[in-house]
Amino acid sequence: GAGVSQSPSNKVTEKGKDVELRCDPISGHTALYWYRQSLGQGLEFLIYFQGNSAPDKSGLPSDRFSAERTGGSVSTLTIQRTQQEDSAVYLCASSLDGSGSYEQYFGPGTRLTVT
Amino acid sequence: AQTVTQSQPEMSVQEAETVTLSCTYDTSESDYYLFWYKQPPSRQMILVIRQEAYKQQNATENRFSVNFQKAAKSFSLKISDSQLGDAAMYFCALENSGYALNFGKGTSLLVTP
Repeated sequence: GAGVSQSPSNKVTEKGKDVELRCDPISGHTALYWYRQSLGQGLEFLIYFQGNSAPDKSGLPSDRFSAERTGGSVSTLTIQRTQQEDSAVYLCASSLDGSGSYEQYFGPGTRLTVT
Repeated sequence: AQTVTQSQPEMSVQEAETVTLSCTYDTSESDYYLFWYKQPPSRQMILVIRQEAYKQQNATENRFSVNFQKAAKSFSLKISDSQLGDAAMYFCALENSGYALNFGKGTSLLVTP
């Protein structure tokens, strides 16, 4: 079956612009996660959705970052007024449920470059 | 504070040989999960192996096995009969919150012919 898909694959934007990153999880997966992978910080957890609600937003680095999930499926991560330090690969993952007993399946990521 | 530590930024192994990647972690939980993920240049994170903390038996998946030492909080990955396709970044991860994975900094594995 289809895996987790993310779009765009690569995004180059100017500092100060807003960007939207999209994640389409595996059908039937109720849990969805966003992570950020950067050279300086490694892999960081950003946010977790169970269904449409986000019980844990603690990883979002600033109020410029927001995320939503509609219909228990597609999620978008929005970064407003992008800064150069936002440059990173943004990874999305989904799992059957939000528990370590279920494998998290990752998408190929979106590489964001802020110039 | 660093929750998961991978002390080997780079490792090299010859084809058909065995290599062990190290990982230590810190948690106050008694019930948690540990993972090894592989990330090739394509960026796709692929689960290699998973260990439940309450299981004493070390997990094994074909050529991949772990040495899980709960008291020492150590979780190393052994790759036997290394293949060129094993070359990738390997990340150790801890899940003790019910969902979020805490990753180490990764180990870059080079496989030479």
